Amino acid sequence: RKEVEQDPGPFNVPEGATVAFNCTYSNSASQSFFWYRQDCRKEPKLLMSVYSSGNEDGRFTAQLNRASQYISLLIRDSKLSDSATYLCVVTLTGTASKLTFGTGTRLQVML
Amino acid sequence: NAGVTQTPKFQVLKTGQSMTLQCAQDMNHEYMSWYRQDPGMGLRLIHYSVGAGITDQGEVPNGYNVSRSTTEDFPLRLLSAAPSQTSVYFCASSLQAGRTEAFFGQGTRLTVV
Repeated sequence: RKEVEQDPGPFNVPEGATVAFNCTYSNSASQSFFWYRQDCRKEPKLLMSVYSSGNEDGRFTAQLNRASQYISLLIRDSKLSDSATYLCVVTLTGTASKLTFGTGTRLQVML
Repeated sequence: NAGVTQTPKFQVLKTGQSMTLQCAQDMNHEYMSWYRQDPGMGLRLIHYSVGAGITDQGEVPNGYNVSRSTTEDFPLRLLSAAPSQTSVYFCASSLQAGRTEAFFGQGTRLTVV
C-alpha cells in the first residue's frame, strides 16, 4: 500500500463548478499535511497547509480527518486557472525531514 | 527575489557519464533536499541536508552523491548515469524540515541515453 494515495483523475469540470479531492495516508502517526499545486512542466508550489480544525483560503477549503486518515481539498467556483495537478503531501512522525508526496490529482477546468 | 535556483534546466547524458546538478537558495534555509519525479511515482526523496556539512540519504539515494559546504548550495552529482536515472529532478529548501513551506527550483529534465 502506498504511503499517500490519491485518485490520479483527471477531473474534468466546467468553470464555476465545485470539485473535491481526497487523499488517504497510511501512517496514523503522520504529523503535518499540505496541498501543493503543480502546473504542467513546472515546480510544485504550496497551495495550503492542512490543520486539524480545517482551514479555508478564499475558494479553497482543506480538511483533515485523522480517524479515517484522509485529507480533502475543496475548490469552489472553479476557474480555468485552477487547472493543474494537486499534490497531497504528508510528513511522517520520526522522519521530520521527509515529505511524502502523493502522485497527484489532475484537474482540468473547462469553459 | 531568486528563491531556489536550479541549473541546468535540460540535460542529455550518455550512459556512464557523470554530471552535477546545481542548486542554490538565497533564503538562508537550513534544510535542503533533492527529489526526482517520475510518471505515476510522485516525488521521491534522493538526499537531504539539515545544514552545512550535514547530509543524509532519502528514499532513492543509489547512484547519487551530495555535499553541503555552504548554507546556500546543495549540488547533486550523478556518478555514472544510467537510463533509469532519466527523470525530472527538483531541488527544494525550507526553513524547517517537513513543517514549513518547501520552495522548489524550476527542475532539471534529464535524459540518459
